[in-house]
Amino acid sequence: NAGVTQTPKFQVLKTGQSMTLQCAQDMNHNSMYWYRQDPGMGLRLIYYSASEGTTDKGEVPNGYNVSRLNKREFSLRLESAAPSQTSVYFCASSIAGLPPPWSYNSPLHFGNGTRLTVT
Amino acid sequence: TQLLEQSPQFLSIQEGENLTVYCNSSSVFSSLQWYRQEPGEGPVLLVTVVTGGEVKKLKRLTFQFGDARKDSSLHITAAQPGDTGLYLCAGGEANAGNNRKLIWGLGTSLAVNP
Repeated sequence: NAGVTQTPKFQVLKTGQSMTLQCAQDMNHNSMYWYRQDPGMGLRLIYYSASEGTTDKGEVPNGYNVSRLNKREFSLRLESAAPSQTSVYFCASSIAGLPPPWSYNSPLHFGNGTRLTVT
Repeated sequence: TQLLEQSPQFLSIQEGENLTVYCNSSSVFSSLQWYRQEPGEGPVLLVTVVTGGEVKKLKRLTFQFGDARKDSSLHITAAQPGDTGLYLCAGGEANAGNNRKLIWGLGTSLAVNP
């Protein structure tokens, strides 16, 4: 099973350029998430989607937009990249979501990340 | 704001040694998850603990959730080079519904030398 697939694996952008990070899961999960991971800051939630058709902001949403294209796919867009967005981006999914009664203990399944450098 | 503090931040040991890493908070969590992340990959779930005082074993790894559900520990017996990685804990807020309220620690980076 592929699990959670992210593309691309690596990307270099210049300040002001735009790009979309793609994520797809084949586990029929309800929820999908975008995190960024930075040294000394840990994993921080950018956006999440509790079900197809819904998206909500996490703790660091500024400069990003998302689209839950269907149940499988959740994309993250940087409209005008900034050096502060240099990071490793992870997509994740879990069975938990809407409607209840899915457990909040449901584990997250992560992709292998996109390493983004903005110069 | 709920915080999860992990200690130690870095740990380098020899193969065969035992070790314990800690995940502490002043807040109560409904559950706590432990993940291991290897270089170049995403975190992978090891275990979820839910009940205060709960102990779970996964081969040489023993996980414990504190009685008050504010802290957790991970003990590795006879560490092997394959245990090398970043160990992350994540606490779940009650009634979060879909893990959007997971609070992440910064991790313990473990290196096991042959």
